[in-house]
Amino acid sequence: EAQVTQNPRYLITVTGKKLTVTCSQNMNHEYMSWYRQDPGLGLRQIYYSMNVEVTDKGDVPEGYKVSRKEKRNFPLILESPSPNQTSLYFCASSPMLTNPYEQYFGPGTRLTVT
Amino acid sequence: AQTVTQSQPEMSVQEAETVTLSCTYDTSESDYYLFWYKQPPSRQMILVIRQEAYKQQNATENRFSVNFQKAAKSFSLKISDSQLGDAAMYFCAYFSGTYKYIFGTGTRLKVLA
Repeated sequence: EAQVTQNPRYLITVTGKKLTVTCSQNMNHEYMSWYRQDPGLGLRQIYYSMNVEVTDKGDVPEGYKVSRKEKRNFPLILESPSPNQTSLYFCASSPMLTNPYEQYFGPGTRLTVT
Repeated sequence: AQTVTQSQPEMSVQEAETVTLSCTYDTSESDYYLFWYKQPPSRQMILVIRQEAYKQQNATENRFSVNFQKAAKSFSLKISDSQLGDAAMYFCAYFSGTYKYIFGTGTRLKVLA
């Protein structure tokens, strides 16, 4: 089954404790992206990647890191989480040639930072 | 910078009726993609419909269609024969050669039985 998986689905952590949210896709998509969703603000892009070892900032990259060492994986790293990073996070992938940029989303990760 | 505006935070429609959700965007580019995504209470994001800016014909997917007005930078979504399962948040999104996605703030659609 074609899908984007994220882990964990729910996470409660404390300020300053480093965490990683994993994202993996099995569709051989070139483009992958991370978003955060906050009430009244819609989805805002954090980082995106057009292929292995190619990443770039979205609109809200502060406080986050990413890496793309393999085509299928695109982890999101919070080195020192703060309460303002409490949010719902989505990973997404899309092809760049066939049906370009139609995104397939993961199920979301609900993060709470206390 | 590109922006996407959804001016209707919430809409309601009677079952079997038609509803139109509005979306406007601002860009200086000529080639781009526009999308509507649906987010039901499960939170899963689902692609509803997409439109390439170079295509003059409005996209249609079953009961969903768009009214794409490139000069006016408008991209509205029409849902015909509304069903209870259409109740969700709907997000308009823009993508272009900058490789960044810009989403609107969403419209919550309620379907009344």
